[in-house]
Amino acid sequence: AAGVIQSPRHLIKEKRETATLKCYPIPRHDTVYWYQQGPGQDPQFLISFYEKMQSDKGSIPDRFSAQQFSDYHSELNMSSLELGDSALYFCASSKRLAGGILDTQYFGPGTRLTVL
Amino acid sequence: AQTVTQSQPEMSVQEAETVTLSCTYDTSESNYYLFWYKQPPSRQMILVIRQEAYKQQNATENRFSVNFQKAAKSFSLKISDSQLGDTAMYFCAFMKHASQGGSEKLVFGKGTKLTVNP
Repeated sequence: AAGVIQSPRHLIKEKRETATLKCYPIPRHDTVYWYQQGPGQDPQFLISFYEKMQSDKGSIPDRFSAQQFSDYHSELNMSSLELGDSALYFCASSKRLAGGILDTQYFGPGTRLTVL
Repeated sequence: AQTVTQSQPEMSVQEAETVTLSCTYDTSESNYYLFWYKQPPSRQMILVIRQEAYKQQNATENRFSVNFQKAAKSFSLKISDSQLGDTAMYFCAFMKHASQGGSEKLVFGKGTKLTVNP
């Protein structure tokens, strides 16, 4: 079965640089979530999209922005990178069932971002 | 806000034995979902099992089963016949049901690191 695809898998940036992370959800999934997992931490919710509209926002810095495109893929844009942004960034996808109920979130392999 | 607590930072078990991981949560919602995710050394997040709060029957998936106690807000994971490949970090997670309104994000516990010894 097709899974969530994230690219790149690894990314190394310098402080104050910009990074773009991409997420391709499971086919026919209409909802995308972004999570950040720091070293030794549990994943923390950043932002989500349903049908190309932002559906919820968590602890996402103002330096970060994201969007979902017409083909349902999503991109997380991170500017003015800081050392503390070094983390594993997960994208998860889900689909709306009858009655607007959300199905299980399935995670991609993550993008490991290192800021030097 | 919902909180999820996993009180066992680390556990170990011998291969072929049974182990139970604990999870408690706090919510004022009446309808929600609970999940166990597994994160092996590869750091991939893998769904282990899902429980809908409105279902009284405990979910099972092969060697994995849960003990869901809604009144006590407890959701433990039992792994039977433990295998070396079960070695991983296990996260308990909570998600509100769409009917409750608001966010449908996952709220995770801090995780339990499980080691299966040969």
